[in-house]
Amino acid sequence: DIQVTQSPSSLSASLGDRVTITCRTSQPISRFLNWYQHKPGKAPKVLINSASILQRGVPSRFSGSGSGTDFTLTISSLQPDDFATYYCQHSYGTPWTFGRGTRVEMK
Amino acid sequence: QITLKESGPTLVKPTQTLTLTCTFSGFSLSSSGVGVGWIRQPPGRALEWLSLIYWDDDKRYSPSLKDRLTITKDTAENQVVLTMTNVDPVDTATYYCAREIYSNVDYWGQGTLVTVSS
Repeated sequence: DIQVTQSPSSLSASLGDRVTITCRTSQPISRFLNWYQHKPGKAPKVLINSASILQRGVPSRFSGSGSGTDFTLTISSLQPDDFATYYCQHSYGTPWTFGRGTRVEMK
Repeated sequence: QITLKESGPTLVKPTQTLTLTCTFSGFSLSSSGVGVGWIRQPPGRALEWLSLIYWDDDKRYSPSLKDRLTITKDTAENQVVLTMTNVDPVDTATYYCAREIYSNVDYWGQGTLVTVSS
């Protein structure tokens, strides 16, 4: 199975901060990497597909980059609605595997 | 508008069989490249992929759970059903279904919490 290592596990940030979350896979997955935002009791919201394609309706302050084994999710200017847990997940075949999540908290 | 919704029992006894249904709208599971998968998240733990069924009835299972899982689809009813046999308290989790289209996972249901307890 492809392992996905996500870091950091949590971070504290202020409104307006630039936030960066990284995921590394144990083998190359081209660009088959998805990013989610998850809030308690709600459906995980897909932010980015194929490493860098922003889902419709997702604010442009979110961006993704990377290919192969190293990927990054960036929030350019943290907004109140962005405090949540973020996950990466590979879809380079099955089994899908997920990062363990990054909890973004208010400083 | 694409939506997925999970349904099933909230409480199951150990050793019983759990049956979960994902009812979706806004797309067809007979369309090329489309799949519906199941994922779970135990309280305080990581997301875990369970199973996936494709438009052509190709079925995939988690290697660690494959002996206990069965996934089926009803294209006419827009449903995907996952059964898990011989449940244990460690199977207590929120169970989600999600759509995959050409290797992009783009929509999730809001999940259903299943507790395994006697």
